[in-house]
Formats: sequence, C-alpha cells, structure tokens
Amino acid sequence: GAVVSQHPSRVICKSGTSVKIECRSLDFQATTMFWYRQFPKKSLMLMATSNEGSKATYEQGVEKDKFLINHASLTLSTLTVTSAHPEDSSFYICSARGQGGAEAFFGQGTRLTVV
Amino acid sequence: AQSVTQPDIHITVSEGASLELRCNYSYGATPYLFWYVQSPGQGLQLLLKYFSGDTLVQGIKGFEAEFKRSQSSFNLRKPSVHWSDAAEYFCAGSGNTGKLIFGQGTTLQVKP
Repeated sequence: GAVVSQHPSRVICKSGTSVKIECRSLDFQATTMFWYRQFPKKSLMLMATSNEGSKATYEQGVEKDKFLINHASLTLSTLTVTSAHPEDSSFYICSARGQGGAEAFFGQGTRLTVV
Repeated sequence: AQSVTQPDIHITVSEGASLELRCNYSYGATPYLFWYVQSPGQGLQLLLKYFSGDTLVQGIKGFEAEFKRSQSSFNLRKPSVHWSDAAEYFCAGSGNTGKLIFGQGTTLQVKP
C-alpha cells in the first residue's frame, strides 16, 4: 500500500516561534496533499488542500498567513505554523493522493504543543 | 452541503457482544466512504472502504460495513467486540478529489 511519512511525530515549541511539519509520500507521487487539524476529543477538520507546484487552497476560517503550506515537489509538502501560540496546540495530520487516485493516504500525525 | 454524520457520540458494549456504529452521509452523488479507528494519542488506521460494487465490505480486525443507498448509511459492524477495540471511530466520505469530510466520531468503550 501507499506509505505517507509525517515528521516530527511530536514537537514542543515556545510561544512566538515557528515550527515546520513535513509530509512525505514514500512510494508514490503525491499530486495532492491535504492537511487536517484535530482538537482534543474532536473530529478532524480540513485546513487546506495543496497541489504540487500551486498555491494551497485554504478552508474557510483558516489563516493562510498563520499556516503556511508548501508543496514544492511530488513527494513533499510542509506545513509551517508561524508565530505559534498555545491555542495552536493540536494534532495535525496530512494525507496524500496520487494522480487520479480515489483514496488519500494518511501520515502518522504530529502532536504540536506550544508552551 | 456535503456532510457525514455519526449520531452516536459514545457507545458502551460488553466484551463479546456485537457492535454497530452508525454513519449517515449527504452527498450529491454516491461518495467514497471510509471507516477509520484512532487510539488515544495515535494517528488514523483505515478499517475499510467502499468505492463501488458489493455493498457489504469486509475490513481488518473482523469489522465489516454495509452501504445502503436508500438509507444514505454506511454502518460499521463487528459480531464480537474485544477489549482492544476500545477507541475512537470515524466515518468519512469523499468525492473523487480525495478530500475527506469526517463525522464527529464515536467513542467506543468496552466493558469486561
């Protein structure tokens, strides 16, 4: 099956700093990647969709200047949480889809804690 | 608007008992449907998926789900629950873009 690797799995950062999360497709070319956020004891909400080589499309209510998404290659997308604050603490998870694929495959997720 | 609904927020069953978790969807066309399980502090594990064809889908860990177009449902079932099945279960749907809409999740508690 298709493998998606997300790194880091856990990160703690100080308030005001930025943190980058990587999402890699290991054995297929990911033309589309999705970034989701999960609050404690809540469901997953789509933050943005990124297509390789294009600007990401953000869902309503998601600050694009706060959550910078880059999808510069067919195997890597990054999410940068800029000027992080405690309210940004959450579980972030990516998924990746190949060209024409009906299914997107999930990474392991990243637990971000901002102190 | 497209949506996926899991009516039951929390379900408790006894170990060895049967289980059914409900999922309803609202899409313009028949979506692709998925069930995921999430243990505390962990990522998502795909249990099963429905794209087309046979409406009864077999998954991992003894789970199955049945797609019922007339009821817009995709309920998850297991004939005999094990204590290790205690977790959060998410139903999700997508069109052909791969973008998933998740239900609210159902917390499964298993009594010894």
